[in-house]
Amino acid sequence: AQSVAQPEDQVNVAEGNPLTVKCTYSVSGNPYLFWYVQYPNRGLQFLLKYITGDNLVKGSYGFEAEFNKSQTSFHLKKPSALVSDSALYFCAVRDARAGGSYIPTFGRGTSLIVHP
Amino acid sequence: NAGVTQTPKFRILKIGQSMTLQCAQDMNHNYMYWYRQDPGMGLKLIYYSVGAGITDKGEVPNGYNVSRSTTEDFPLRLELAAPSQTSVYFCASRRQENNSPLHFGNGTRLTVT
Repeated sequence: AQSVAQPEDQVNVAEGNPLTVKCTYSVSGNPYLFWYVQYPNRGLQFLLKYITGDNLVKGSYGFEAEFNKSQTSFHLKKPSALVSDSALYFCAVRDARAGGSYIPTFGRGTSLIVHP
Repeated sequence: NAGVTQTPKFRILKIGQSMTLQCAQDMNHNYMYWYRQDPGMGLKLIYYSVGAGITDKGEVPNGYNVSRSTTEDFPLRLELAAPSQTSVYFCASRRQENNSPLHFGNGTRLTVT
């Protein structure tokens, strides 16, 4: 079984400040982890993924995420937030084992609001 | 590449009507998915397909049907529309590699009244 939790429905941050959007996961084997962003009236867009190797993953638009195996977390971060980063963010997990699920499990999403 | 294309963008149905939501991808992806998104509820998987001729149920398949006659197309059929099917529907696809991300269409906003 696999699951994802995004504990915050909404994150508010001032422009220029660092931002963190939290994600914790549960899988039986090793995880493939993904972050997606959704702007209003659009589909989800892929931001970054963790497969294996370096715990710090860099992605699109200056975002990065830190994989922490002991805490089963994959928090999304950005050093300096922009108003244009305001959107809905989804974390997703898939079991990396051969024969693991074809289906990623998504969190419920976190609304990021960056204030000018 | 156009990516994943969904039509129509918007539709209003009366209770009991039927319709087909179209989804096409031009990336030669084997895996395709249909999700519905309701406010505050995240994404719920309706059906998925791992290749032409192969489909399987997701978390919330009742009231829906799919077919996958070609690699490119994965239409979602609603029979006897109900108000509970008011939602935004997203189609997605991905390559066969297990670590490949999903590519999403821009969605179809459906209202059933």
